[in-house]
Amino acid sequence: EVQLVESGGGLVKPGGSLRLSCETSGFTFSHAWMSWVRQAPGKGLEWVGRIKSKIDGGTSDYAAPVQGRFSISRDDSKNTLYLHMSSLKIDDTAVYYCASLGRDQRISPLRPFDWLSFWGQGIQVTVSS
Amino acid sequence: DIVMTQSPDSLAVSLGERATINCKSSQNVFYSSTNKSYLAWYQQKAGQPPKLLIYWASTRESGVPDRFSGSGSGTDFTLTISSLQAEDVAVYYCQQYYTNPQVTFGGGTKVEIK
Repeated sequence: EVQLVESGGGLVKPGGSLRLSCETSGFTFSHAWMSWVRQAPGKGLEWVGRIKSKIDGGTSDYAAPVQGRFSISRDDSKNTLYLHMSSLKIDDTAVYYCASLGRDQRISPLRPFDWLSFWGQGIQVTVSS
Repeated sequence: DIVMTQSPDSLAVSLGERATINCKSSQNVFYSSTNKSYLAWYQQKAGQPPKLLIYWASTRESGVPDRFSGSGSGTDFTLTISSLQAEDVAVYYCQQYYTNPQVTFGGGTKVEIK
């Protein structure tokens, strides 16, 4: 059974930092491309960023609102994904989800596609003074 | 960025009746090299994370009931629930993944029981 479990959320002051973790099981994490998506209170879904597998380069990409402030990393030995958040703003208040990208071997055996197959339960991050 | 516009914002449907949700993208999300529309649908029940229902605009994810179907191509897409069940009450989101990694979501459509 695939499981993704986020942790590390909480209350932080504007300008502060926080690191979220996403511990995974039930699939080969080292092969997976992973994303973070957030959802502000009462709002829709917003893509935050994505990291490729190390074998595919391990590079990461970010949405414009978080570029330069957030970074994504991974520890394949621990099957864990991270989201490092700094210079936090009130607008960063949201539930943060980690998710794994989908695969379709018939179309591309080599790389995933950017639909989100499995999601964690989410973790609340509140930025407030 | 590709803007995804869903309609309606909410709808109330009687149990057993059809629910139809529309999603329009601001530009074409059909990729000719794969002959696929890069469009997914998700269901989010209250207090839960989103759940993948459909990808490639019309391919149901494993385990998703066949009352859920997706259609459309290019810029106009539809999610249909053929016979609404009580457990289908949720917010539904479309997502384009054509401009990966910068994917974008629609604003959501809330489905309720009439």
